[in-house]
Amino acid sequence: KNEVEQSPQNLTAQEGEFITINCSYSVGISALHWLQQHPGGGIVSLFMLSSGKKKHGRLIATINIQEKHSSLHITASHPRDSAVYICAVKRPPLVFGKGTRLSVIA
Amino acid sequence: GAGVSQTPSNKVTEKGKYVELRCDPISGHTALYWYRQSLGQGPEFLIYFQGTGAADDSGLPNDRFFAVRPEGSVSTLKIQRTERGDSAVYLCASSLTGGSTEAFFGQGTRLTVV
Repeated sequence: KNEVEQSPQNLTAQEGEFITINCSYSVGISALHWLQQHPGGGIVSLFMLSSGKKKHGRLIATINIQEKHSSLHITASHPRDSAVYICAVKRPPLVFGKGTRLSVIA
Repeated sequence: GAGVSQTPSNKVTEKGKYVELRCDPISGHTALYWYRQSLGQGPEFLIYFQGTGAADDSGLPNDRFFAVRPEGSVSTLKIQRTERGDSAVYLCASSLTGGSTEAFFGQGTRLTVV
């Protein structure tokens, strides 16, 4: 079993839909990252969380330390949100989930 | 520099050759990480430096892989006797410390072994 599990693996949504990507982990961590990777592109850090909730624009990330679970939400999704979203926990080092491939269709 | 810089951005090499991949972390960042990402997969941990020393090298797949960070800044990942299975994007990240500080990623080096 991977230390970091993400679901779903693939997600297709219509423009404007509310999207949720989930991440569960099984190890003790110092922080959790949500990362975005566009095809052929580098990795961009969206959020780093160690507790509670963070919001940036249309993106919201939450973490429940007791349940070892985090969610990434995208409100009013747009085709430019199409990317792979990766959950990574920091022990350190960073341990990555396999990613969720999101496609938003206009 | 302003961000994590990796060179080269692309490297094509013949099977059996030796390659070096370079990572310039953000100035002042003590923690540096190397990852490998195969097509369609999430990044896999290779090695983590805290300062000049390797704090965790448990992800290095075999003794053909080696990494150094002699002055606690620039790091070089070295791969000997390359194999076609080594083809991947090699990612470097740095953070201010190894704890709960944000990690910043380079654009990666795409290594192709032919």
